Amino acid sequence: GENVEQHPSTLSVQEGDSAVIKCTYSDSASNYFPWYKQELGKGPQLIIDIRSNVGEKKDQRIAVTLNKTAKHFSLHITETQPEDSAVYFCAPAGGGTSYGKLTFGQGTILTVHP
Amino acid sequence: GAGVSQSPSNKVTEKGKDVELRCDPISGHTALYWYRQSLGQGLEFLIYFQGNSAPDKSGLPSDRFSAERTGGSVSTLTIQRTQQEDSAVYLCASSLGGRVGNQPQHFGDGTRLSIL
Repeated sequence: GENVEQHPSTLSVQEGDSAVIKCTYSDSASNYFPWYKQELGKGPQLIIDIRSNVGEKKDQRIAVTLNKTAKHFSLHITETQPEDSAVYFCAPAGGGTSYGKLTFGQGTILTVHP
Repeated sequence: GAGVSQSPSNKVTEKGKDVELRCDPISGHTALYWYRQSLGQGLEFLIYFQGNSAPDKSGLPSDRFSAERTGGSVSTLTIQRTQQEDSAVYLCASSLGGRVGNQPQHFGDGTRLSIL
């Protein structure tokens, strides 16, 4: 099955700084790479995703980059704000008989200090 | 529009009792997933539905766990003879599904299950 590692496990930044979280996966058949944000008491919220035919995608302050050869993808948050504080999960998925099920990383606790 | 709705939001029960957890997916979403989130295991897949069929049940941890989906909509996850290790947050997600590749999954806020 898929093995997913996410680093760092905790990340503390000052407001306005950038934050980068990296996710490494093992299954070369993975073709869908989402990032989720989870706030306390809430379910995971999809914030950005990328497919295997694209190397980078950006949505305002959030971007995702994919390196399929090295089997890793990263979340980039620029101009961080206190409301960005949450737990972030990567969750790569494959096609075919995996039926799109997500395999989650261990999570990164991001704290943005005002 | 309405998102994924799960009920109850919290459930406390005694060891050995049966529990039923409900998920109302986003209207029109044919794919439905159940996941479990616990401190020790993180977020893990349980079961996948496409319509009313469950082609992948590989994540169900034991035969005490079962799930069904009716009318291609509402799904119920049942845990029989609950054990303390079943304590976790049970999350449901839905997506458009179909054969067009992976579709974004949208999650409910989960049911927090506590077994005394």
